[in-house]
Amino acid sequence: AQSVTQLDSQVPVFEEAPVELRCNYSSSVSVYLFWYVQYPNQGLQLLLKYLSGSTLVKGINGFEAEFNKSQTSFHLRKPSVHISDTAEYFCAVIPPSGYSTLTFGKGTMLLVSP
Amino acid sequence: ETGVTQSPTHLIKTRGQQVTLRCSSQSGHNTVSWYQQALGQGPQFIFQYYREEENGRGNFPPRFSGLQFPNYSSELNVNALELDDSALYLCASSDGLAGGSTGELFFGEGSRLTVL
Repeated sequence: AQSVTQLDSQVPVFEEAPVELRCNYSSSVSVYLFWYVQYPNQGLQLLLKYLSGSTLVKGINGFEAEFNKSQTSFHLRKPSVHISDTAEYFCAVIPPSGYSTLTFGKGTMLLVSP
Repeated sequence: ETGVTQSPTHLIKTRGQQVTLRCSSQSGHNTVSWYQQALGQGPQFIFQYYREEENGRGNFPPRFSGLQFPNYSSELNVNALELDDSALYLCASSDGLAGGSTGELFFGEGSRLTVL
């Protein structure tokens, strides 16, 4: 079984400041890792994913994340946030084979203020 | 390419009633997963359908049931609604189990159910 821990339920930040949203996971098998964003009253949109290869992955809207196998982490970063980045962000994992589906963290609310 | 569509977008029911939510998967996708997202929580896995068969189930009671049709669209049925069933219900499709070769699930906008 897998589990995902998002260490911060809420992260307030000023516009144009850098931000890091933390994600740690636990799994007995290798996993794919994802970050999804959810804007108010909407479904989930994929930001980026790590399947294999380079541990630094770039996604949409200027976000990037780094996979650290030894620390079982997949933290999301953006060097300069915009007001429009205000949303809920979810980290998720899935084993690459077999009968399985996404396991999500509880989410981190990113609040960007002017 | 048509994305994942869900209906209805919003609905209100009373305790004890039954509800059916519908999902059309993205073109070419044969796997549909359903998730429940309570307010302030991450999505919780309900069950998954692969080629019309239930393929896995999360920790939800039997009053949560589903179907997948030959065109891979799907329904989620909830009987004997309880107040705690109020949530956003998300449908996700993929090309194969575990998100297929890309590992990715594609989500619809969700159906927001309120139980009074």
